[in-house]
Amino acid sequence: SYELTQPPSVSVSPGQTARITCSGDALAKQYAYWYQQKPGQAPVLVIYKDSERPSGIPERISGSSSGTTVTLTISGVQAEDEADYYCQSVGSSDTYVFGAGTKVTVL
Amino acid sequence: EVQLVESGGGLVQPGGSLRLSCAVTGFTFNNYWMSWVRQAPGKGLEWVANIKEDGSEKYYVDSVKGRFTISRDNAKNSLHLQMNSLRAEDTGTYYCARDIVVVPGAYYFYGMDVWGQGTTVTVSS
Repeated sequence: SYELTQPPSVSVSPGQTARITCSGDALAKQYAYWYQQKPGQAPVLVIYKDSERPSGIPERISGSSSGTTVTLTISGVQAEDEADYYCQSVGSSDTYVFGAGTKVTVL
Repeated sequence: EVQLVESGGGLVQPGGSLRLSCAVTGFTFNNYWMSWVRQAPGKGLEWVANIKEDGSEKYYVDSVKGRFTISRDNAKNSLHLQMNSLRAEDTGTYYCARDIVVVPGAYYFYGMDVWGQGTTVTVSS
């Protein structure tokens, strides 16, 4: 089965940089998408096609790709960035798959 | 305003059925594929199914194949998920989400860029 692997948690101090990785073989051929989810809320798309930012998403959130790993970077972390972050890509047979999610804690 | 509003969740016994709906406003519904995504309590997101803009193609995660059916009514701007033979592991919040956008001669996926607020399904005796 097709899997995306994320670290369970990342902790960062305010103003520092948080980096969340997502790894999976098919990421070498498929784009990755990132979603932010705060407690009790629906997910919000923050990055599409590895590195594109939807309108309204702050510039401090960025994405990059290298081989089978994609990275979501949050620069100058703020308290409001504390959330769960999920990567997503296209799996086999035109289905979608999510990573297990990474909880970002702002210390 | 672009909006997705889910309904139809509730408490159902194992083996029972439930039909979820998603009412869409604010964009041209039949220009988009649509997806259902679920989240078990305290767990991560799981994509469940999606449907082509005209309903002619449907895809499912393996765990719901043969039990769930996704459908849409473009005249009423609504998306549905018929869930049969429900199991405890189907418990969670179900979200509808906007998916692939269709333009003449092409399909583009920019991520699931619009989500509803979710409806809760509890499968328990």
